[in-house]
Amino acid sequence: AQSVAQPEDQVNVAEGNPLTVKCTYSVSGNPYLFWYVQYPNRGLQFLLKYITGDNLVKGSYGFEAEFNKSQTSFHLKKPSALVSDSALYFCAVRDSNYGQNFVFGPGTRLSVLP
Amino acid sequence: KAGVTQTPRYLIKTRGQQVTLSCSPISGHRSVSWYQQTPGQGLQFLFEYFSETQRNKGNFPGRFSGRQFSNSRSEMNVSTLELGDSALYLCASSLGPSGLEGELFFGEGSRLTVL
Repeated sequence: AQSVAQPEDQVNVAEGNPLTVKCTYSVSGNPYLFWYVQYPNRGLQFLLKYITGDNLVKGSYGFEAEFNKSQTSFHLKKPSALVSDSALYFCAVRDSNYGQNFVFGPGTRLSVLP
Repeated sequence: KAGVTQTPRYLIKTRGQQVTLSCSPISGHRSVSWYQQTPGQGLQFLFEYFSETQRNKGNFPGRFSGRQFSNSRSEMNVSTLELGDSALYLCASSLGPSGLEGELFFGEGSRLTVL
């Protein structure tokens, strides 16, 4: 069975500082990994994905994520946080085995303080 | 290219009523998935349709149903509404069915309040 864990409900960071939002996963096959962001009363917006290849993936708005197979992690990072990055972030996994749907983590609320 | 469109955006119903939500996917996308989002349970998968066929179904009671039309538009229906059905219902589309590499593209959601 697939599962995703986001160990932190809330992450606070000062504007201009680097940020990390953590994600670990479990799948039986090879993972397809995704990060989404959600602003209040809006749908989810796609940030980036890892399918194969380079372990460091770059996405929208200056975000990047590093795939670590041995630690089954896919942490989201940004070198310098902006107040406008404050939102709810979801990690998602899809097993490469055909027929599996997306599984989303519980979400991490990021607050960037001015 | 227009995004995923969900209607209505907001609605209020009373217990026992039924509701139908609509989703128009991105042009060319043939897969539509539905999710329920609540503060306590997070994002929970309802079902996925591809080419008018239900491919996957989450762990929800039979009161929750859906369908997909030949133009890929999808509807979901909830009958005999309960207070616990109050949630943001999100629709997402993708090019292909589950198991492929493409990401999901989400609509803005339909916020259902059951009184």
